[in-house]
Amino acid sequence: AQSVTQPDIHITVSEGASLELRCNYSYGATPYLFWYVQSPGQGLQLLLKYFSGDTLVQGIKGFEAEFKRSQSSFNLRKPSVHWSDAAEYFCAVYQDTDKLIFGTGTRLQVFP
Amino acid sequence: DGGITQSPKYLFRKEGQNVTLSCEQNLNHDAMYWYRQDPGQGLRLIYYSQIVNDFQKGDIAEGYSVSREKKESFPLTVTSAQKNPTAFYLCASSIFGNPNEKLFFGSGTQLSVL
Repeated sequence: AQSVTQPDIHITVSEGASLELRCNYSYGATPYLFWYVQSPGQGLQLLLKYFSGDTLVQGIKGFEAEFKRSQSSFNLRKPSVHWSDAAEYFCAVYQDTDKLIFGTGTRLQVFP
Repeated sequence: DGGITQSPKYLFRKEGQNVTLSCEQNLNHDAMYWYRQDPGQGLRLIYYSQIVNDFQKGDIAEGYSVSREKKESFPLTVTSAQKNPTAFYLCASSIFGNPNEKLFFGSGTQLSVL
């Protein structure tokens, strides 16, 4: 079965610093991959997605992610973090095209 | 505006009581999902439905029940058999069968045990 691993539970960065959140997946074929963001007490919002084509995907709020098949990774990046980016971030992969499987999440804290 | 509405925002359950969480969508989506969120465990799928009058168990269905009598509605009942119901519950919907389509999420219901 497909699975998603987010190895970092909690990351702290200074405002203006660069950010990389890691995501590794387990899937035999080309996966459908997503990054979602969740503010406290709220639902999830899609940041970006990958299903084919260019391996560097641009999303909302200045985020991007790169699909690396050789490393089974789909890491999320942002060149300069803003205080409003503090939230929880979830990587997800589609299983059997009808169920979205989520990683355990990475909580991002931003210091001024 | 189209979207997903979950109610109530906060819910309290007494010992041995069944409670029902509401989820309504006006996006004309075929598929609807219920996820449970616990700190450090991410989102785990409880039940999902791809079409009216049909639904499937997810990874943690025990102690929960659902119905899908209308396309717009997918209520979740947390039964007394669920011994650890305290969690944040999220409902979502999507266009069925198209993995390129994103999930739309409600704003969640926090369930606590009295």
